[in-house]
Amino acid sequence: EVQLVESGGGLVKPGGSLRLSCAASGFTFSNAWMSWVRQAPGKGLEWVGRIKSKTDDGTTDYAAPVRGRFTISRDDSKNTLYLQMNSLKTEDTAVYYCASSSGWSSVYYYVMDVWGQGTTVTVSS
Amino acid sequence: DIQMTQSPSSLSASVGDRVTITCRASQRISSYLNWYQQKAGKAPNPLIYAASSLQSGVPSRFSGSGSGTDFTLTINSLQPEDFATYYCQQSYTTPGTFGQGTKVEIK
Repeated sequence: EVQLVESGGGLVKPGGSLRLSCAASGFTFSNAWMSWVRQAPGKGLEWVGRIKSKTDDGTTDYAAPVRGRFTISRDDSKNTLYLQMNSLKTEDTAVYYCASSSGWSSVYYYVMDVWGQGTTVTVSS
Repeated sequence: DIQMTQSPSSLSASVGDRVTITCRASQRISSYLNWYQQKAGKAPNPLIYAASSLQSGVPSRFSGSGSGTDFTLTINSLQPEDFATYYCQQSYTTPGTFGQGTKVEIK
């Protein structure tokens, strides 16, 4: 079964840091492009960032609100994606989803075809 | 960044109705447009990719069309399980911006 399971969410004070993890199973993780998407309470989906597969150069891209504060990385030996979040702000409060794009068409058209259940990050004093 | 604008923001419809949701990009994105369905408290679920290709396992009552800047998601014969929020997302360039969502409610 293809599955993504996020962990690491919680309550953190403004200015603090948190690292989210996303454990993948059921597909060839090393070939997948992996993304983070967040959803603030009662709001729509917001694209956070993406990391390509190492065979596709492994580069990362970020949305402007998180660029310079968040870092996406991957450990293909552990089938795990990470989101390191620093200098957190109250507006970073959201459910964070990881999502995968695997298979030729999903990568070519950048479709996020498998999603995790999400992990909640609350930034509050 | 490319802005994605969906309309309407919400709509009320009955089981069996045909529903159309539109999505407009602020610049041309060819066919790099995906649609997702999200039910309350759940993760999004992909429906359509490349503007008009049905994701595996998605019922054929869902269809997508358009290219360039204007796109449409159509649900033929709305079913009870289709009441949800629908998002378009452009995948032409990063950031992969989403539309603000269209909530489909029961009339």
